[in-house]
Amino acid sequence: AQSVTQLGSHVSVSEGALVLLRCNYSSSVPPYLFWYVQYPNQGLQLLLKYTTGATLVKGINGFEAEFKKSETSFHLTKPSAHMSDAAEYFCAVSKASNTGKLIFGQGTTLQVKP
Amino acid sequence: DTAVSQTPKYLVTQMGNDKSIKCEQNLGHDTMYWYKQDSKKFLKIMFSYNNKELIINETVPNRFSPKSPDKAHLNLHINSLELGDSAVYFCASSQDGGGYTQYFGPGTRLTVL
Repeated sequence: AQSVTQLGSHVSVSEGALVLLRCNYSSSVPPYLFWYVQYPNQGLQLLLKYTTGATLVKGINGFEAEFKKSETSFHLTKPSAHMSDAAEYFCAVSKASNTGKLIFGQGTTLQVKP
Repeated sequence: DTAVSQTPKYLVTQMGNDKSIKCEQNLGHDTMYWYKQDSKKFLKIMFSYNNKELIINETVPNRFSPKSPDKAHLNLHINSLELGDSAVYFCASSQDGGGYTQYFGPGTRLTVL
């Protein structure tokens, strides 16, 4: 069975500092990997995803993530945090099948301090 | 233009009532989903339809019944509401399953009193 673990339910950084949100997955087959962001009282928005090809994936708002198969990780980074990055971040995995079923991690709340 | 819309945005009701949440997408997608987000913000898939056919049916109480009248709509009907049904329900759509991006609606916050 697939599962996703996000290390740290709450991460706090200063404005301008590096953002690192950790995600590890377990999957018996090559997975598709996603990062979604949820702003307060809104739906989820895709930041980036890995399906095949280049393992370093660039997304919106300056975020990127690297798929490391040997470490079963898909950590999300951003070089310099903005106040507007404060939100809930979800890592998700799905099988390379046609159902599209997403398994989500428990989420990480990112706080950005001025 | 709203890609995935849900109505209502808020729903407050008494235990035992029956209620429906509607979802519409104007993206031309073939697949639609319902997710439940609990009070700890944990997201779990409930159902998925592809071209009006049910393809994912997680272990959800049979008080929950999805209906897809056409590819652009996926409604969720809930009978005999219970306190534990209080959550935010998200509708999403994608071009197909697999690695296609899922686009989420704004959510419906259901509160059962």
